[in-house]
Amino acid sequence: AQKVTQAQTEISVVEKEDVTLDCVYETRDTTYYLFWYKQPPSGELVFLIRRNSFDEQNEISGRYSWNFQKSTSSFNFTITASQVVDSAVYFCALSDTDSGGYQKVTFGIGTKLQVIP
Amino acid sequence: SQTIHQWPATLVQPVGSPLSLECTVEGTSNPNLYWYRQAAGRGLQLLFYSVGIGQISSEVPQNLSASRPQDRQFILSSKKLLLSDSGFYLCAWADGTLLYEQYFGPGTRLTVT
Repeated sequence: AQKVTQAQTEISVVEKEDVTLDCVYETRDTTYYLFWYKQPPSGELVFLIRRNSFDEQNEISGRYSWNFQKSTSSFNFTITASQVVDSAVYFCALSDTDSGGYQKVTFGIGTKLQVIP
Repeated sequence: SQTIHQWPATLVQPVGSPLSLECTVEGTSNPNLYWYRQAAGRGLQLLFYSVGIGQISSEVPQNLSASRPQDRQFILSSKKLLLSDSGFYLCAWADGTLLYEQYFGPGTRLTVT
């Protein structure tokens, strides 16, 4: 069965510090996708990144970077030089197909990040 | 480009009253559609998903129902609301062919009193 674990429920950092959000997943599929979403106080989930199971190359987008390691089933998210606007709940998610061929997405419980000015 | 709309944004309803939340998607055809609920301070719970008109799969048995009367319209309903139905309801769509990421609407905050 699919499972996504975000062990850090809440993190507080001071502005300009780097912070890493952990995500560990479980799946029996060899083909799957991993995602990160940001949920600011307004509530709407914003898609940040998708990674497929065959692409372990790390990705950097501005102050954001993602580290995907299949050997440890982890897909961690690092924010460099954090800013107050980064304060949000961040969700890691896993997508694969169920026995009926339908996409099934499992979300972690989220990590609430507070960046203190 | 694709956009997803949800309404209303906020709703306060008494226990036992009916519910109808609407979600529409623009700029895409034959999307997969999803309804999620998020209780305060909690993660996302998938309620329903649909891969086509009239095709609804329920993930959690409860007093809610969903319908998809048109390709890009997804409706969440209840005949009689319970206090436990309070929460933040999110609609999402995904490309029905690629099955990549889901894109979420702005959400409806429902309070049952």
